[in-house]
Amino acid sequence: QSVLTQPPSASGTPGQRVTISCSGSSSNIGNNYVYWYQRLPGTAPKLLIYRNNQRPSGVPDRFSGSKSGTSASLAISGLRSEDEADYYCAAWDDSLQVVFGGGTKLTVL
Amino acid sequence: ELQLVESGGGSIQPGGSLRLSCAASGFTVSSNYMSWVRQAPGKGLEWVSVIFSGGSTYYADSVKGRFTISRDNSKNTLYLQMNSLRAEDTAVYYCARAAVAAARPDAFDVWGQGTMVTVSS
Repeated sequence: QSVLTQPPSASGTPGQRVTISCSGSSSNIGNNYVYWYQRLPGTAPKLLIYRNNQRPSGVPDRFSGSKSGTSASLAISGLRSEDEADYYCAAWDDSLQVVFGGGTKLTVL
Repeated sequence: ELQLVESGGGSIQPGGSLRLSCAASGFTVSSNYMSWVRQAPGKGLEWVSVIFSGGSTYYADSVKGRFTISRDNSKNTLYLQMNSLRAEDTAVYYCARAAVAAARPDAFDVWGQGTMVTVSS
């Protein structure tokens, strides 16, 4: 059972906008930054969003993050087939441990 | 180029020990916050441990007392000593660098390719 709660699956058609939610508590999301990682099949996780809504260099602006209270969300606009992957939210908690969501498998129909 | 390369994975019987290594290039392990993250087959990512630049270490409850994170500054390498291994420790183990923001740990911005550990009799 993961500390952060994500839907196990999400789907969309090419060009659509999809959102993935992530719910936590005051000790993790509420008091700390949220991160999003993308894991393509057979590859290591890749940082997608940091500090709630910042994109690392090279991440398309189709990806955006937001946070409100103890919840966060990842939005992907202009969905593309190469976006099919597992997405994980994460946060440091107040006890200096990292908590992850259970992951959301995104399917591009 | 910033790179992390793990090694040391393999098959081990329950109760056994294994040491994972993570060699860094392009940056200095001792000046950064370094972590281990694992993913069991069919499961999500699970944080395992972190060592801060000052040497402080933290562990997930699931491995506390059994796993030890350390580093060798001369080899620019991170380690994870795993003792009393259990079947539920079976996973791909990744090392990752945590960026730093205002002296606090931030995102995992560099990841290794992972090394598989299988605990089975």
